Amino acid sequence: NAGVTQTPKFQVLKTGQSMTLQCAQDMNHEYMSWYRQDPGMGLRLIHYSVGAGITDQGEVPNGYNVSRSTTEDFPLRLLSAAPSQTSVYFCASSVGTGVSGELFFGEGSRLTVL
Amino acid sequence: LAKTTQPISMDSYEGQEVNITCSHNNIATNDYITWYQQFPSQGPRFIIQGYKTKVTNEVASLFIPADRKSSTLSLPRVSLSDTAVYYCLVGEGFYTGGFKTIFGAGTRLFVKA
Repeated sequence: NAGVTQTPKFQVLKTGQSMTLQCAQDMNHEYMSWYRQDPGMGLRLIHYSVGAGITDQGEVPNGYNVSRSTTEDFPLRLLSAAPSQTSVYFCASSVGTGVSGELFFGEGSRLTVL
Repeated sequence: LAKTTQPISMDSYEGQEVNITCSHNNIATNDYITWYQQFPSQGPRFIIQGYKTKVTNEVASLFIPADRKSSTLSLPRVSLSDTAVYYCLVGEGFYTGGFKTIFGAGTRLFVKA
């Protein structure tokens, strides 16, 4: 049982480059979300989705795009990377709202923007 | 959104009971209170969730007073492996249409031998 799978685990980008962080879950969860975590800080919500075709912004959405074409996948796109986006990114999923239900997290993707 | 306030850090010794209190004065009627644990270089892991009174599982207990403006996570007889960051979450209620789960800064628990 894979749970939530994130790829890549590590990535180094140059300023201005674009990339996509992949997130897939095999639990048929409706709710998926992306967080970023800076050193010594808590997690901040970037974007979330309550089902295929539905996405919304979280606390810190600027510089990131998402889409949800299938229940399983929720990719996070950085269109023009900036050093301020250096962080660890976590994807999470839940069967329900994510509040009255357990969030399952991936192992994280560590991104460095030079 | 109901904001949460937790102590930034706590120290304890092996074998002691640890209580971490979280304040959430603006909690909404439909909100649940959830606690997560995070080890370095890992994603958070669900510990316990409750709505009111007391909830207990094999890992921890959660105490919620009647006014629900605070909650206390209780870890019985901690060990070195309980050293982690603990997050208290209160999200938007299901029926209000909100689905955002917001994490605060968390409480860094350091367990000493």
